[in-house]
Amino acid sequence: EDKVVQSPLSLVVHEGDTVTLNCSYEVTNFRSLLWYKQEKKAPTFLFMLTSSGIEKKSGRLSSILDKKELFSILNITATQTGDSAVYLCAETLTSGTYKYIFGTGTRLKVLA
Amino acid sequence: DAGVTQSPTHLIKTRGQQVTLRCSPKSGHDTVSWYQQALGQGPQFIFQYYEEEERQRGNFPDRFSGHQFPNYSSELNVNALLLGDSALYLCASSLGFEQYFGPGTRLTVT
Repeated sequence: EDKVVQSPLSLVVHEGDTVTLNCSYEVTNFRSLLWYKQEKKAPTFLFMLTSSGIEKKSGRLSSILDKKELFSILNITATQTGDSAVYLCAETLTSGTYKYIFGTGTRLKVLA
Repeated sequence: DAGVTQSPTHLIKTRGQQVTLRCSPKSGHDTVSWYQQALGQGPQFIFQYYEEEERQRGNFPDRFSGHQFPNYSSELNVNALLLGDSALYLCASSLGFEQYFGPGTRLTVT
């Protein structure tokens, strides 16, 4: 079964730092790559990426997909304490497969 | 517009017992998926319900079963609970492709 690997597993930074979170995936029947932020319980949607090389941006967060090298990165600039959370990436597949395949997540802690 | 809701919020059960978790999808959504998230892990797909039938299942034993009602709400049932079933159980609803997650039910098995 396809596997999604995230790195680093955890990260501690200070407010104002820039962070880059990594997500690599396997290619069988790839459809899209999604990023979620999970603060306490419900993962909340950040980005969905389907096309290689096109950056998605929302405020201080941005993400890009590289379909040739099978990875995605999530960048957060000028980090704030409110960015502290677990960041999950998930792969979705084609061919009538409806499940999301999640990585383990990166736990980000931003210190004041 | 209410999002995805789940009940109960927390639950403590003993090994061997049975549990039922409930999920109400976001308004207009017809599909419900269930995920198990163990501590420090990403969510793992249990199954998905569409048109009151199980459409796809992940690698979970038959102790995990579910149901979807005509109003699209769903239940997850787990029989013969094991300590390893302790986890956050997330429900996600969708209309089409994008899934919206509920706040989850934290199940502790002692």
